[in-house]
Amino acid sequence: NAGVMQNPRHLVRRRGQEARLRCSPMKGHSHVYWYRQLPEEGLKFMVYLQKENIIDESGMPKERFSAEFPKEGPSILRIQQVVRGDSAAYFCASSPPLQGTNTEAFFGQGTRLTVV
Amino acid sequence: GIQVEQSPPDLILQEGANSTLRCNFSDSVNNLQWFHQNPWGQLINLFYIPSGTKQNGRLSATTVATERYSLLYISSSQTTDSGVYFCAVEREGSGGYGQNFVFGPGTRLSVLP
Repeated sequence: NAGVMQNPRHLVRRRGQEARLRCSPMKGHSHVYWYRQLPEEGLKFMVYLQKENIIDESGMPKERFSAEFPKEGPSILRIQQVVRGDSAAYFCASSPPLQGTNTEAFFGQGTRLTVV
Repeated sequence: GIQVEQSPPDLILQEGANSTLRCNFSDSVNNLQWFHQNPWGQLINLFYIPSGTKQNGRLSATTVATERYSLLYISSSQTTDSGVYFCAVEREGSGGYGQNFVFGPGTRLSVLP
């Protein structure tokens, strides 16, 4: 059973370009979460999605950032018109359907975005 | 929102030494996990431990939910244990629908040969 797969591992974009980060959850997992880690900081929650639904996007910047988890295919985190401050590691996590209380989340290896 | 503190912020050990890392949180939690971020940036699950004690090889963890803290024990440390250790919690009553984790600032561990 493959773990959470993120690609690309490293992404370099010039200011003003678009960045697309992909996340394939673990098999059987229907919940996906995106987190951002700025240099020398801990991870900060961005958005929680289930298939075709955004459940909680309270941690996502209001402008330029969007996320989706379509019925088929990976979850996509999209950053439009990137700026240098978007340079960070972006981690995706997934978990199975909840049963009563929360269950363990598993993280991918992250995508390191560098804006030049 | 819930506050998560970790101590110590930095720790340097000689190979073979033991250590205890602490995580304090300010509110009741549904979920608590410990992670190791290795020097290559990979985030590795160590324990899912909202309460009780678990052991996995040289590592063990204890969470005392009523007193709002968790401890991670590393015994006979090895150089491969180096990296940052994060505690992450999800506040009780936060909707119960997912892992809206709040991460602590981490403990940076360096194990010297």
